Amino acid sequence: NAGVTQTPKFQVLKTGQSMTLQCAQDMNHNSMYWYRQDPGMGLRLIYYSASEGTTDKGEVPNGYNVSRLNKREFSLRLESAAPSQTSVYFCASSERRGEGGTRGEQFFGPGTRLTVL
Amino acid sequence: QQQVKQSPQSLIVQKGGISIINCAYENTAFDYFPWYQQFPGKGPALLIAIRPDVSEKKEGRFTISFNKSAKQFSLHIMDSQPGDSATYFCAASGWGSSYKLIFGSGTRLLVRP
Repeated sequence: NAGVTQTPKFQVLKTGQSMTLQCAQDMNHNSMYWYRQDPGMGLRLIYYSASEGTTDKGEVPNGYNVSRLNKREFSLRLESAAPSQTSVYFCASSERRGEGGTRGEQFFGPGTRLTVL
Repeated sequence: QQQVKQSPQSLIVQKGGISIINCAYENTAFDYFPWYQQFPGKGPALLIAIRPDVSEKKEGRFTISFNKSAKQFSLHIMDSQPGDSATYFCAASGWGSSYKLIFGSGTRLLVRP
């Protein structure tokens, strides 16, 4: 099993360009997440999908959109990239457990390092 | 009320020593407290987790201590090894966060040989 995979690993964009970060998991998990990691700020949730067909905003959703394409895949789109979106982006997945549906161990992908010039 | 405050930001420990990382939370509706370990260039991975019905949980050299009244929890790494050098994140979740994980800011640990 590959676990959680992310593409691309690195990307450089110019301000105003758009791109989509891809994420796939092969663990048959219901819930998937997108985080960004910035120095000194930990991991901040951008969007999540508690189950196939649903998506919800996290702590820092502005400037991003997501698509839960199917149970395996969850993509993150930057419509008009800004320098403030320079970060490392992590996708994660987990089993749906407990009330609310987003508890349980989260399994993270290797990350995408994005630079916006 | 959603914050999880983590300290220190960085920590240097000699091989064989004890590493201690502390976290504090405000939201009393949190009831799940995991620690994640992240090596350079990798995604975080679950290390150990605790629920507030116990005050301590130990797995090998790693121990979580939990103080519900003080709303604090800490990670202790006994007999620290150079291979433990990584960034550690505490987190919390529960009804108060719609069960989403709220992460601390991270602690970069360096264990010197």
